[in-house]
Amino acid sequence: AQRVTQPEKLLSVFKGAPVELKCNYSYSGSPELFWYVQYSRQRLQLLLRHISRESIKGFTADLNKGETSFHLKKPFAQEEDSAMYYCALKVRTSGSRLTFGEGTQLTVNP
Amino acid sequence: GAGVSQSPRYKVAKRGQDVALRCDPISGHVSLFWYQQALGQGPEFLTYFQNEAQLDKSGLPSDRFFAERPEGSVSTLKIQRTQQEDSAVYLCASSRTSGLIYNEQFFGPGTRLTVL
Repeated sequence: AQRVTQPEKLLSVFKGAPVELKCNYSYSGSPELFWYVQYSRQRLQLLLRHISRESIKGFTADLNKGETSFHLKKPFAQEEDSAMYYCALKVRTSGSRLTFGEGTQLTVNP
Repeated sequence: GAGVSQSPRYKVAKRGQDVALRCDPISGHVSLFWYQQALGQGPEFLTYFQNEAQLDKSGLPSDRFFAERPEGSVSTLKIQRTQQEDSAVYLCASSRTSGLIYNEQFFGPGTRLTVL
């Protein structure tokens, strides 16, 4: 069965510093990977997906199949980036269901 | 337009009680998902509907959990004889279509269930 691991439950950086949220997955095939974000008192929402290869709010993520990783990066963190971030995976054999990691709480300090 | 809505937002139940959680998906969305999120954990898949058909219920933790979507719109997740380990946030999500091509899942605010 597929699995998503986010090794850091908490991550704290200062404003303007680079940030990297780690995500590793276990699946032998070709999955689709996503990052979801949940800001305080808001609902879970899609941040970006690897297929789009786009930058959202300054965040990027590259799928590394060799290392089975999909780390989320931003060169200069902002206070408004403080949120809970979840990495998620979808595999074809499981339909559209998502498998989520445990999440990383990012705090950007002023 | 209106997003996914869920009711009630909070539910406190005594152990052994039955509860029913409602989800109103975005109008026209074919697919509907239920996830369970325990404290400090990521959401875990429970079940999935395509219109009124329940195509995957492999994530339901026990036969006390039952979900339905009789008219292909509103869905209800029912938990019978609640136990303390059922305490969690129950998330509903909907998407336009399903299948091999991923369509973004839009999440509701969740229902926080506390079983005493």
